[in-house]
Amino acid sequence: KNQVEQSPQSLIILEGKNCTLQCNYTVSPFSNLRWYKQDTGRGPVSLTIMTFSENTKSNGRYTATLDADTKQSSLHITASQLSDSASYICVVSAPSGTYKYIFGTGTRLKVLA
Amino acid sequence: EAGVVQSPRYKIIEKKQPVAFWCNPISGHNTLYWYRQNLGQGPELLIRYENEEAVDDSQLPKDRFSAERLKGVDSTLKIQPAELGDSAVYLCASSSRTGGVYEQYFGPGTRLTVT
Repeated sequence: KNQVEQSPQSLIILEGKNCTLQCNYTVSPFSNLRWYKQDTGRGPVSLTIMTFSENTKSNGRYTATLDADTKQSSLHITASQLSDSASYICVVSAPSGTYKYIFGTGTRLKVLA
Repeated sequence: EAGVVQSPRYKIIEKKQPVAFWCNPISGHNTLYWYRQNLGQGPELLIRYENEEAVDDSQLPKDRFSAERLKGVDSTLKIQPAELGDSAVYLCASSSRTGGVYEQYFGPGTRLTVT
């Protein structure tokens, strides 16, 4: 069964600190992996997209890594800000015509002042 | 460029009543998705359209849910009759192909509360 599991389920850190979120998947075949940020009351917004041939992708203070062999990804947030408080969702795409997306349950991050 | 537009943003109805959600995707996006997101969970796909054709509706509870995208642009999702368990956020998304990868854009969602 194609699954995407994220950890931790929730995380609280102090402003300015770094953190790393994890994503493990069993989706096969695999097309690409995305990290989304979802603010409360909003739809998810894409942070990074990585194909199976890429092992790192950065977007400002967000850096995603991918190990296609172990089927693991991580999202590292550097120098966290209060505005980073959100849910971070890992999404794996399995080729199926024009793509099928399998969503993780997300990690809820709270950044405190 | 306008993003994905959804309406209404919030809806409260009593169980057994009908409800409809509307979505206008980003101009030029042929693929449109409806997702349901329960509290604390990731979105679950309900239906995916390529233009006006529903190409994946395997997760749509067809006894009470229906969707249409008549002209291949905007779309409506209907629930009739609604049940308490239908309370969730209903997200619409559309996608385009950028550099060989399909980029998916989400609307703000409609939060449905069934009482």
